[in-house]
Amino acid sequence: QLQLQESGPGLVKPSETLSLTCTVSGGSLSSTGDYWGWIRQPPGKGLEWIGTIYYSGKTYFNPSLKSRVTISVDTSKNHFSLKLSSVTAADTAVYYCARHRSGFLDSWGQGTLVTVSS
Amino acid sequence: DIQMTQSPSTLSASVGDRVTITCRASQSISNWLAWYQQKPGKAPKLLINKASSLESGVPSRFSGSGSGTEFTLTISSLQPDDFATYYCQQYNSYPYTFGQGTKLEIE
Repeated sequence: QLQLQESGPGLVKPSETLSLTCTVSGGSLSSTGDYWGWIRQPPGKGLEWIGTIYYSGKTYFNPSLKSRVTISVDTSKNHFSLKLSSVTAADTAVYYCARHRSGFLDSWGQGTLVTVSS
Repeated sequence: DIQMTQSPSTLSASVGDRVTITCRASQSISNWLAWYQQKPGKAPKLLINKASSLESGVPSRFSGSGSGTEFTLTISSLQPDDFATYYCQQYNSYPYTFGQGTKLEIE
């Protein structure tokens, strides 16, 4: 059974870079047709798609965040990563990683809360 | 970007009720629409993809319909486990976008 697990610091200072990793088990990042994405949810609010990567390295980003986002993949470690630069309090959210199948998200990590605060 | 608008934002209902949640897209998305259920402190769970295709293991009381710009999620007979927040998501084109959510509460 596919499992995804987010990891990374729970507290980031304003103007610094948020870095998270999603480790995939029970499946391969290199599976043909599977894409891997990051989604976030500010406390008490709705879901926002951040970006998606294919194992080849091809990426797709939300234009609202594109200038600050990097998503990378390491197939040897079966994980993919998110970096969000120049964070502010508005970036405080639960960050989820998930598998995209044809665009819908069928497997999700449990989520990790990242707070931006000095 | 394609805007997704759900209605209502909050819905109060009782066990056994039939409820319908609507999701409207700002432009046609064919049937590239998914529905998710989210409970407090948990990740969203996929219920339906391609507007009407029920995910394996999801109870048959859930159903989805629609195409183009208007979609509905129907729960035929509410069970206690169904009280949660529901989101629609379009995957017709990037950037993928979600509705703002519908919170289903116990009346």
